[in-house]
Amino acid sequence: SYELTQPPSVSVSPGQTATITCSGDRLGDKYAHWYQQKPGQSPVLVIYQDNKRPSGIPERFSGSNSGSTATLTISGTQTLDEADYYCQAWDSGTEVFGSGTTVTVL
Amino acid sequence: EVQLVQSGAEVKKPGESLRISCQGSGYNFIAYWVGWVRQRPGKSPEWMGIVHPSDSEIRYSPSFEGQVIISVDKSINTAYLQWSNLKAPDSAIYYCVRQVSFGSGSQNYGIDFWGQGTTVTVSS
Repeated sequence: SYELTQPPSVSVSPGQTATITCSGDRLGDKYAHWYQQKPGQSPVLVIYQDNKRPSGIPERFSGSNSGSTATLTISGTQTLDEADYYCQAWDSGTEVFGSGTTVTVL
Repeated sequence: EVQLVQSGAEVKKPGESLRISCQGSGYNFIAYWVGWVRQRPGKSPEWMGIVHPSDSEIRYSPSFEGQVIISVDKSINTAYLQWSNLKAPDSAIYYCVRQVSFGSGSQNYGIDFWGQGTTVTVSS
């Protein structure tokens, strides 16, 4: 089955840039989507189709996807960006979610 | 305002059956797919399958085919997820979700709305 691998954790200082990677076989040939999930809450879509932001998502969230890696970038990270982040792509009849990355802002 | 309102938490014993629900409002219910996503504690979400309310077309993820039944009643804007023989590993939060489409095509915009989740606990 298809796997999407993310680093378990990323730490960033307030105001700095957080970079979260998502690796999968030929992921660049697929669309990658990204979700933010805070404790006790439902996930929220922050990037769709590699680099598009849904309405209401701050401009500091951006994305890219090439080769075997999709990347979510949070510029000027704020404390309220502390959360788990999951990538997602379609493969073999199912939506596949990544292993998840916990972003800590300290 | 788009809302997906799910039924409340359930506590069941192994072997019991269960149906949980998800009612959509604030949008044209029959124009979007409604899916189900499982999330076990501390784990990543898992996509289970999806139904289109306009014609009840259903697609299951290979991992969940035969394990659950997805259905919809468009007359009351409600989708369902049901089990006939619950097991302890079915304990999880189940989210209903909205998608314009799914698959590898350009109409897959990801999951744009999520319900609040239904916690299912299966324990003897």
